[in-house]
Amino acid sequence: DIQMTQSPLSLSASAGDRVTITCRASQNINNYLNWYQQKPGKAPKHLIYAASSLQTGVPSRFSGSGSGTDFTLTISSLQPEDFATYYCQQSYTTPATFGPGTKVVVK
Amino acid sequence: EVQLLESGGGLVQPGGSLRLSCAASGFSFSYYAMSWVRQAPGKGLEWVSAISGSGDSTYYADSVKGRFTISRDNSKNTLYLQISSLRADDTAVYYCAQDRFTSPGYYFDNWGPGTLVTVSS
Repeated sequence: DIQMTQSPLSLSASAGDRVTITCRASQNINNYLNWYQQKPGKAPKHLIYAASSLQTGVPSRFSGSGSGTDFTLTISSLQPEDFATYYCQQSYTTPATFGPGTKVVVK
Repeated sequence: EVQLLESGGGLVQPGGSLRLSCAASGFSFSYYAMSWVRQAPGKGLEWVSAISGSGDSTYYADSVKGRFTISRDNSKNTLYLQISSLRADDTAVYYCAQDRFTSPGYYFDNWGPGTLVTVSS
């Protein structure tokens, strides 16, 4: 199985900050990489597919980049509603695997 | 509007069984592969199983292979997960999700609110 890691696992930030989350795959996954946002007690919400394509309706302050084994999710200006946990997920092979999540908390 | 609604969770003893259901609406159900993803309390997301739109192809995580069975009834727009030989580490919120294929790969597009399965004596 492909292992996904994320860093940091937790970060504290303020509204307006630029936030970057890193995701790494244990092998080359080209750009078969998705990002999700999850708030407490809620189902995950899909944000980005194919490493850099924004899901319809997702604010443009979210962006993704990367290919191969290293990927990033960037929030250009953190908004109050963005405090949540973010997961990356690879769809290159079955089983699909998720990263451990990065929790973004208020500084 | 796509809606997915899971049901069937609850408290079950180790070794017991449950059948989870996911009622789908707002899209052509038979056109889409569907998946189950679970989340243990305070933990991350784990893909469990997937099924093709026709139901002909099924896939399982190693952790549940031989114990869980995914199926669907396209006439009822419903996805199922039969879970058996349950263990404490199967305790989780179980989400159903609509698979969306893209180029490349696929993602879990729409999700239900989840149903909690608790395995405990």
